[in-house]
Amino acid sequence: QKEVEQDPGPLSVPEGAIVSLNCTYSNSAFQYFMWYRQYSRKGPELLMYTYSSGNKEDGRFTAQVDKSSKYISLFIRDSQPSDSATYLCAMSVRGGYQKVTFGTGTKLQVIP
Amino acid sequence: EAQVTQNPRYLITVTGKKLTVTCSQNMNHEYMSWYRQDPGLGLRQIYYSMNVEVTDKGDVPEGYKVSRKEKRNFPLILESPSPNQTSLYFCASRDTAGGEKLFFGSGTQLSVL
Repeated sequence: QKEVEQDPGPLSVPEGAIVSLNCTYSNSAFQYFMWYRQYSRKGPELLMYTYSSGNKEDGRFTAQVDKSSKYISLFIRDSQPSDSATYLCAMSVRGGYQKVTFGTGTKLQVIP
Repeated sequence: EAQVTQNPRYLITVTGKKLTVTCSQNMNHEYMSWYRQDPGLGLRQIYYSMNVEVTDKGDVPEGYKVSRKEKRNFPLILESPSPNQTSLYFCASRDTAGGEKLFFGSGTQLSVL
């Protein structure tokens, strides 16, 4: 079993839809939870970062962490064609030099 | 502009011909790492470095070498490439004191024939 599981999609939605992206994990020691966005032929870029449980909102994006269920989510409201990308969840036990474990990524397409 | 620079962007080579992929960062980061990205397998760490002359294996180190002689540079060396090393490679760096953000390069698409 992989430490981090992520539905690869692809996920295709109409413009303006609410998108929900999810990851599950098995390592209860993870404390830092991240979402990276990767456009085609580019490197991943950090989109959202959450420490421990709870919600974090940034504009149209909301990250949720439920440590009791070992489940994290990224919600995108009012999705735009520019949101079309691959979204990777990532987790680590601690900061600094600690290894970051990535999900396989979900490819999202927002259709105008 | 803060960035991680990888070269080359695309590389086609033949089995057994030694190659080096360069990586340089201008953010004075201590931590640097190499990943490979394959369909269905995601990003897997090859090697990482916590500082100059300090390197360690990641999850998939076989067939790769690295060196860290200067803080800004972290080259990836394939001494005898094989077709199973055909992949998309990313270099990344992180400020170990400042948080979790990994800064990635633009990637190197390697094909080994």
